[in-house]
Formats: sequence, C-alpha cells, structure tokens
Amino acid sequence: QLVESGGGLVQPGRSLRLSCTASGFAFGNHAMSWVRQTPGKKLEWVGYIRNKGYGGPIEYAASVKGRFTISRDDSKNIAYLHMNSLKTEDTAIYYCTRDSGTTGPGASDIWGQGTLVTVSS
Amino acid sequence: SYDLTQPLSVSVALGQTANITCGGNKIGSKDVHWYQQKPGQAPALVIYRDTNRPSGIPERFSGSNSGNTATLTISRAQPGDEADYYCQVWDGSVIFGGGTKLSVL
Repeated sequence: QLVESGGGLVQPGRSLRLSCTASGFAFGNHAMSWVRQTPGKKLEWVGYIRNKGYGGPIEYAASVKGRFTISRDDSKNIAYLHMNSLKTEDTAIYYCTRDSGTTGPGASDIWGQGTLVTVSS
Repeated sequence: SYDLTQPLSVSVALGQTANITCGGNKIGSKDVHWYQQKPGQAPALVIYRDTNRPSGIPERFSGSNSGNTATLTISRAQPGDEADYYCQVWDGSVIFGGGTKLSVL
C-alpha cells in the first residue's frame, strides 16, 4: 500500500514536501508517479520517477516543471514530492501511485489515499 | 497538446451494458488505461493497455481501442459500478480524460 503525508494549508509562493511511504511490495523495483485531483475533480499528472535499474530522466508535467521535484529513497521505501513557488492553482488532492511503466509512464496500478494541499493566503 | 474527450455522464439500466467512450486523435495507436473512482476514494485501475484487467477486476469490465475511440464496457451493470471513470494515455505527457459519471438506474 501507499500512504501519503505532508499536505496542508500553505501560502502562495511557499514550499511544501509530500512523502509517500510504500509497503507490501518491492519498492525499489517499481517506478512511481504523482497525480493530483483538482477541486473540480479533474485528474492531472504531476510527474514520474523510474526505478534505479532503468535510470533515465525524471518526467514532469509542464505546469510544474521547474517548481516541483520528485525524488525517492529506496532504503526507506519513500517517494517525495518537493513543491516550491506554490500557486493557488496547485490546490488539489495529491496522490502517490505505483507506476507499471518501466521506460516511461504507464498505468498506475496502486494508489495512495491522497493528501490535500491547499494554497491560499 | 493532446486532448481526450469523455461524455460527462452515462446512464445504464440495472443488469444492462454500459459503454463509456474516450475520444482522441488516433487514440488507437496509443495504450489506454481506465480508472474507476467511487465517492471519497482514490481512483483504482480497472483496465490497462486497452484490454487487460488487473487481478480482482470482474470479467464484466472490458476495453477496446481503435481509430479515434477507446471504449470501456461494463456488462451486467450493478449498483456498485456507479462511479466516475477516467481514461488515460501517454503522449509525451500523461493525459487524463475529463471523466464520466456512470449512473445505474
């Protein structure tokens, strides 16, 4: 399973770090993705990180590239989403997912319960 | 940018077949994944790479993809199938459809 944490209320322009703790599967063998869901229920992809075995660049959506950074600590079974320069339009539920794609994003076959990020002054 | 078009809502009579479409330019050349989201829950994968069901998903759920339309078919619809359904593809970026609300009457 996947459990996200770190969400909350943050002012525009500030930063926040989300964590995703995995259990029940070999975390290091799998790619991971972050997906968010806006208040209007629209699903938006945030980014994707491959497992270490495949290497390659971390992929980001254009709307967050340069502001958000995805990383992983396989020794702790945790994936991270570092969010800088937050905007009101980043307000959403953020989901961590296990991604079945290896060389690029595929289907998200396991989802966390989500953590709510609200960007507001 | 690549767009995916889904109907806002689909209604189906109890026990009948529901078809939820996902339209996109030459979508038949792409892998399409489908997710089900029930109220208050995270999305869950129901079909991957056009036609494949993850373990635990009933055989009543099936998918097809050709030309400019991918379709999620739910046979013998049950009240528990009421949910929002989203399609997803990769086109240099992950794209989601706008979602379809399925009502079982």
